[in-house]
Amino acid sequence: ETGVTQTPRHLVMGMTNKKSLKCEQHLGHNAMYWYKQSAKKPLELMFVYNFKEQTENNSVPSRFSPECPNSSHLFLHLHTLQPEDSALYLCASSQVRDPAYEQYFGPGTRLTVT
Amino acid sequence: AQSVSQHNHHVILSEAASLELGCNYSYGGTVNLFWYVQYPGQHLQLLLKYFSGDPLVKGIKGFEAEFIKSKFSFNLRKPSVQWSDTAEYFCAVNARDTDKLIFGTGTRLQVFP
Repeated sequence: ETGVTQTPRHLVMGMTNKKSLKCEQHLGHNAMYWYKQSAKKPLELMFVYNFKEQTENNSVPSRFSPECPNSSHLFLHLHTLQPEDSALYLCASSQVRDPAYEQYFGPGTRLTVT
Repeated sequence: AQSVSQHNHHVILSEAASLELGCNYSYGGTVNLFWYVQYPGQHLQLLLKYFSGDPLVKGIKGFEAEFIKSKFSFNLRKPSVQWSDTAEYFCAVNARDTDKLIFGTGTRLQVFP
């Protein structure tokens, strides 16, 4: 499989559940990103990993916990979420952590918190 | 703080009409500029980008964008749209002295045959 893949594509969870989102890139890139896309709002960068090291956390609540075990995989662990966390969560990768390099996006996970 | 404004939230056109989507940013320094597109059911993908040189940039599928530094703008244009151009279009800006890529809210384009 090529490009950036994300699983699951859709997730419905209660506020007390714990779940994880998975992202995998098959491009040999070294930087990976989590974004949140909410209706009528700009894409919000959540976390950045460069060569497996977290380089950015944009004041994301601790109920979101990222994990990057290697440069091809990125996880977002979710627990005790709020209804306002319902959104499309996008994963992206780029050759290195530099905006001059094109970011390749996955299809996203549509998360609904009930 | 940097911000990106896309004032057209929803644009509806007939095929063969001309398109111009506005993008303005707030940052006084040197910038890299991008347009991304998300076709229905597909991934967000890069349409075109500007780093330096000729301010008129040509991208895929006949799109172009013009960087006007004095107006802090990077508008996207296409002379004649097709039904297959129906998508959401996102402008993004990177201030060169930072490593942040800031996106606009997006413009939804619907093209009717």
